[in-house]
Amino acid sequence: GQNIDQPTEMTATEGAIVQINCTYQTSGFNGLFWYQQHAGEAPTFLSYNVLDGLEEKGRFSSFLSRSKGYSYLLLKELQMKDSASYLCAVLDSNYQLIWGAGTKLIIKP
Amino acid sequence: NAGVTQTPKFRILKIGQSMTLQCAQDMNHNYMYWYRQDPGMGLKLIYYSVGAGITDKGEVPNGYNVSRSTTEDFPLRLELAAPSQTSVYFCASSYSPQGSNNQPQHFGDGTRLSIL
Repeated sequence: GQNIDQPTEMTATEGAIVQINCTYQTSGFNGLFWYQQHAGEAPTFLSYNVLDGLEEKGRFSSFLSRSKGYSYLLLKELQMKDSASYLCAVLDSNYQLIWGAGTKLIIKP
Repeated sequence: NAGVTQTPKFRILKIGQSMTLQCAQDMNHNYMYWYRQDPGMGLKLIYYSVGAGITDKGEVPNGYNVSRSTTEDFPLRLELAAPSQTSVYFCASSYSPQGSNNQPQHFGDGTRLSIL
């Protein structure tokens, strides 16, 4: 079966750095997405990785290792508005998006 | 830019009732999707469409129907509402298949549906 694992919840302090991990087992791989979802709102796109390595976008970076079936989202200089759920999704060989359950990130002052 | 528009935002149905969730996009995207999201769970694909006149089942299609008569509109129909269909429903669209080639899916604001 296809499976994506993420921690259910994480807590971090404002101004700090947090790393949210995602491991996947899918039938094929055509890319990995990270989305942010604030409570009661729609998911919004953060990043896309298809090759191994780190992609940096301002305070957010995303890393991929295809051989390990592993990705992480790194958030720096955390702000209160970063409190949200972070969803990892993998595009499988049929170009179907498989979604993880999401990691709820709680930022404390 | 309107993007993806979903209506209604909230709805309460009685068991056995039917309704249609509306979704429209103005980005000229060929690909459109319907997801449901249960509390604490990931998104589950119900149906998707790769263009006007073409629809296909996703992971959890039972109890739902869709149509795609135009590029812009992709309504989702519940024929006999059941409590198990209580969920938040998201419509999304993308330029390329499932958001490949760094073209992400754009989501509507969701419809919160309760079946009592």
